[in-house]
Amino acid sequence: GQQVMQIPQYQHVQEGEDFTTYCNSSTTLSNIQWYKQRPGGHPVFLIQLVKSGEVKKQKRLTFQFGEAKKNSSLHITATQTTDVGTYFCAGSDYKLSFGAGTTVTVRA
Amino acid sequence: NAGVTQTPKFRILKIGQSMTLQCAQDMNHNYMYWYRQDPGMGLKLIYYSVGAGITDKGEVPNGYNVSRSTTEDFPLRLELAAPSQTSVYFCASSGSTDTQYFGPGTRLTVL
Repeated sequence: GQQVMQIPQYQHVQEGEDFTTYCNSSTTLSNIQWYKQRPGGHPVFLIQLVKSGEVKKQKRLTFQFGEAKKNSSLHITATQTTDVGTYFCAGSDYKLSFGAGTTVTVRA
Repeated sequence: NAGVTQTPKFRILKIGQSMTLQCAQDMNHNYMYWYRQDPGMGLKLIYYSVGAGITDKGEVPNGYNVSRSTTEDFPLRLELAAPSQTSVYFCASSGSTDTQYFGPGTRLTVL
């Protein structure tokens, strides 16, 4: 079955630094979605990527879908304390499968 | 629109007790899902439904049951609670775009 893996599991970032989290699927995906879960909260949809090689930006967040539609990345620039939380990717072929998430902590 | 609502927010059960976690959505979504999230872990799909009267097992269905008699409601039933079912339970729904909208969660402890 489809498996979605995320690395790293934890990301400790100095405020103001950049970082990237990666998502890899064992199968080709029709689309990939990213969600953010704040501590104690519920996952909230951030963005969906559909096309091969697609790149989308949301302020300091840049999302990319790989050419083969089997991987994706989320790059955050100039990390702020508001970026704290767990970022999940979710890949879809016929059903949405969530990765285990990357939990981000920020050192002020 | 309230979106996806879940009740209760918190619950403590004794081993062997049963309970129903309620989930409702007002977005007229066909698809609904139940996930569990253990501390520091990702989301595991318990059951899902593609429409009223249709349900199917997800990754971790053992110990749970669901029903979907209406488009709006998708309750999750625990028949014989076990400590391994201590978790946070999220209900979600989606329409045609695949994007899932999550409820605030139910924090369940089984002692």
